[in-house]
Amino acid sequence: GQQVMQIPQYQHVQEGEDFTTYCNSSTTLSNIQWYKQRPGGHPVFLIQLVKSGEVKKQKRLTFQFGEAKKNSSLHITATQTTDVGTYFCAGPTGSGGSNYKLTFGKGTLLTVNP
Amino acid sequence: NAGVMQNPRHLVRRRGQEARLRCSPMKGHSHVYWYRQLPEEGLKFMVYLQKENIIDESGMPKERFSAEFPKEGPSILRIQQVVRGDSAAYFCASSPTVYTGELFFGEGSRLTVL
Repeated sequence: GQQVMQIPQYQHVQEGEDFTTYCNSSTTLSNIQWYKQRPGGHPVFLIQLVKSGEVKKQKRLTFQFGEAKKNSSLHITATQTTDVGTYFCAGPTGSGGSNYKLTFGKGTLLTVNP
Repeated sequence: NAGVMQNPRHLVRRRGQEARLRCSPMKGHSHVYWYRQLPEEGLKFMVYLQKENIIDESGMPKERFSAEFPKEGPSILRIQQVVRGDSAAYFCASSPTVYTGELFFGEGSRLTVL
């Protein structure tokens, strides 16, 4: 079955440093989504990428979708303590284009030292 | 998303007991999705329900687990004869139709089996 791998599993940075997490799928994805989960919280949707080679920015966050639509990355510039949490990528495995059955990576836990 | 309400937020059960987790979708939503998150893991799809129908239960363990979404009232995920391996966070999401966009999760129910 489809597998979604994320690296690194953990990342500890000093506040102000940059952070990147990488996501790789065993199969081509119709789209990829990113979620953030604060410790003890629930996953919160960040963004969805659909097009090959797509790049989207949200303030200090930059998301990329690979040309082959099998990999993606999330880059955070100048991390802040509010960025702490686990970042998950997820790709759909449902049929007919439905997104309801997502395969999630195991996530990257980001901790930030103030 | 605060619109998807889950309860209880925390549940403790002893081995062999039953656990019932409830999910009230956002107003006007008739599609519900349950995901499970084991400790330090990504989310895994369990089941997709519409009112009075199970659409896809391919992620649900064959034994002890069941789900329903009655015409009236919340969706219920039922786990019979719980074992320690059932300890996890159970998240519910909803949509007005079979969605093609992001998932909005409730705050989750965290089950601990002693």
